[in-house]
Amino acid sequence: EPEVTQTPSHQVTQMGQEVILRCVPISNHLYFYWYRQILGQKVEFLVSFYNNEISEKSEIFDDQFSVERPDGSNFTLKIRSTKLEDSAMYFCASSPDRVRSGEQFFGPGTRLTVL
Amino acid sequence: SQKIEQNSEALNIQEGKTATLTCNYTNYSPAYLQWYRQDPGRGPVFLLLIRENEKEKRKERLKVTFDTTLKQSLFHITASQPADSATYLCALIDSWGKLQFGSGTQVVVTP
Repeated sequence: EPEVTQTPSHQVTQMGQEVILRCVPISNHLYFYWYRQILGQKVEFLVSFYNNEISEKSEIFDDQFSVERPDGSNFTLKIRSTKLEDSAMYFCASSPDRVRSGEQFFGPGTRLTVL
Repeated sequence: SQKIEQNSEALNIQEGKTATLTCNYTNYSPAYLQWYRQDPGRGPVFLLLIRENEKEKRKERLKVTFDTTLKQSLFHITASQPADSATYLCALIDSWGKLQFGSGTQVVVTP
């Protein structure tokens, strides 16, 4: 069964460093998302992406964040200058359509630890 | 502001019984509501979607109801099994596909 994959599974970085989190969505999906979950808190929407551009972003997704789909298969989230409060689990999700079926397929997540 | 509330207390239930979870929302008029399961350290897994014009939806041992007047959804796991132990997340979806999650309710099913 096709699945969303994410790498790395765990990333440790120093505050102020840039990180890139990578995702390979399911191949025939058109809508892509990043969510994050701080330990013990709810899953929060960061950004949605369709047709090579951002559809919607939350207030968390400030100028330090960017997303890219560089080669038609990978979908990346970049944090330019990490802060301690960026430590969280980051989930990528993809969907074949926006709302009609509604199901979003989530990857296993990348645990980001900022020291 | 928009809020989605789920019971934060863990639900402890004996195997074979029915677990009932509640999701209440305010300042939303959602067309769809979804339920996901999340295991520790893993991503959410889609379970069910219910539309505003549907009162009830079933899938195997799962049943979801959606009352737009009460602004509430109930999620039932019948004949619960220890393998059903997980956190269950309610989510509202907007027209752009963005999911807004509740904080989840942990279910613990004991043999």
